[in-house]
Amino acid sequence: NAGVTQTPKFQVLKTGQSMTLQCAQDMNHNSMYWYRQDPGMGLRLIYYSASEGTTDKGEVPNGYNVSRLNKREFSLRLESAAPSQTSVYFCASYSGVSYNEQFFGPGTRLTVL
Amino acid sequence: DAKTTQPPSMDCAEGRAANLPCNHSTISGNEYVYWYRQIHSQGPQYIIHGLKNNETNEMASLIITEDRKSSTLILPHATLRDTAVYYCIVRGNYGGSQGNLIFGKGTKLSVKP
Repeated sequence: NAGVTQTPKFQVLKTGQSMTLQCAQDMNHNSMYWYRQDPGMGLRLIYYSASEGTTDKGEVPNGYNVSRLNKREFSLRLESAAPSQTSVYFCASYSGVSYNEQFFGPGTRLTVL
Repeated sequence: DAKTTQPPSMDCAEGRAANLPCNHSTISGNEYVYWYRQIHSQGPQYIIHGLKNNETNEMASLIITEDRKSSTLILPHATLRDTAVYYCIVRGNYGGSQGNLIFGKGTKLSVKP
């Protein structure tokens, strides 16, 4: 099992450009998450999907959209990138069953110039 | 805001036990204490969790006080590879928003030779 995979690993954008970050999990988990991490800070939740077909805002959703494409895949879209969105983005999944932990992907390092 | 308070940094000698404290005085009865760590810029990794009893696994031990207002993560024989940021998180044990993780800044543990 690959666990949680993310693409791309690195990306440089110019202000105003758009892009989609991809995330996939092969653990048959119900819930998926997108976080961002700025230097020296903990992770902050952008959006989450408690189950296939549902999405909800987290702590910092402005400037982002998400799509739960199917049970495996959860994408994050930046429609018009801004320098403030320079960050490392982590995707995670969780079975949704009590006591289980979240599994995290390796991250996407995004720089917006 | 994060529901936990941790020291920003700690040092530990290689081979010695590392004891990482966490205060969570507002924890509610159905919330668990979870510990994750983040090595360098990788995705966070689950370590251990508990409700009210002490817990031990192959990575660490978790000691929770009787009033559940604080806990200590113990790495019994720290190695250089345990150098990481350690996050103490309280969360519900269900899916959806109750399963969301709220990260603080964590404790930066430096294991020294």
